[in-house]
Amino acid sequence: DQQVKQNSPSLSVQEGRISILNCDYTNSMFDYFLWYKKYPAEGPTFLISISSIKDKNEDGRFTVFLNKSAKHLSLHIVPSQPGDSAVYFCAASDWSQGNLIFGKGTKLSVKP
Amino acid sequence: ETGVTQSPTHLIKTRGQQVTLRCSSQSGHNTVSWYQQALGQGPQFIFQYYREEENGRGNFPPRFSGLQFPNYSSELNVNALELDDSALYLCASSFRQGAGGELFFGEGSRLTVL
Repeated sequence: DQQVKQNSPSLSVQEGRISILNCDYTNSMFDYFLWYKKYPAEGPTFLISISSIKDKNEDGRFTVFLNKSAKHLSLHIVPSQPGDSAVYFCAASDWSQGNLIFGKGTKLSVKP
Repeated sequence: ETGVTQSPTHLIKTRGQQVTLRCSSQSGHNTVSWYQQALGQGPQFIFQYYREEENGRGNFPPRFSGLQFPNYSSELNVNALELDDSALYLCASSFRQGAGGELFFGEGSRLTVL
């Protein structure tokens, strides 16, 4: 029973275009959401987060949107760059738990 | 300020053996968590330590155990290894207890059980 779902295992985008990575969750208790990026042979690195009291958070080329009613969030990368090619994990938590629940990840390939 | 470091980076064990993985947390972080990432999956929470005591555990059997030391280092011990224990084991440290905050991950220890 997956509480955090990333239904697209992979995504290929042309350099300069927008990348949109999607994530769905089932637990309405989740109140904090994060995106991590992982390169091969490295640990995941934090990218951006959003609290459930917001519906948008922006940091440079990265924007996360949260739709609580649909239990859906998305990560937008504009413009996409070849260095963005990595596996992106969506993660969620609630303050009563001491851990993050991760999705399976989406492998993004940005082609020059 | 040093990041999170893990050792060893790769190791091979046989079924039934025991393994100890080590982690050095980022300076000043009082909380360490361990995650297991199987092939094609996202990281799964094993347990968390806060001020040297276990503070939350995921759906892993008791043969997965851990320790946290005063110098911010920690260990993950797995007894009676099974083939399904083959995975990347990630250590993550953070400033505070509980999720909702950014976790800083090490590069992981890749365990292969034959």
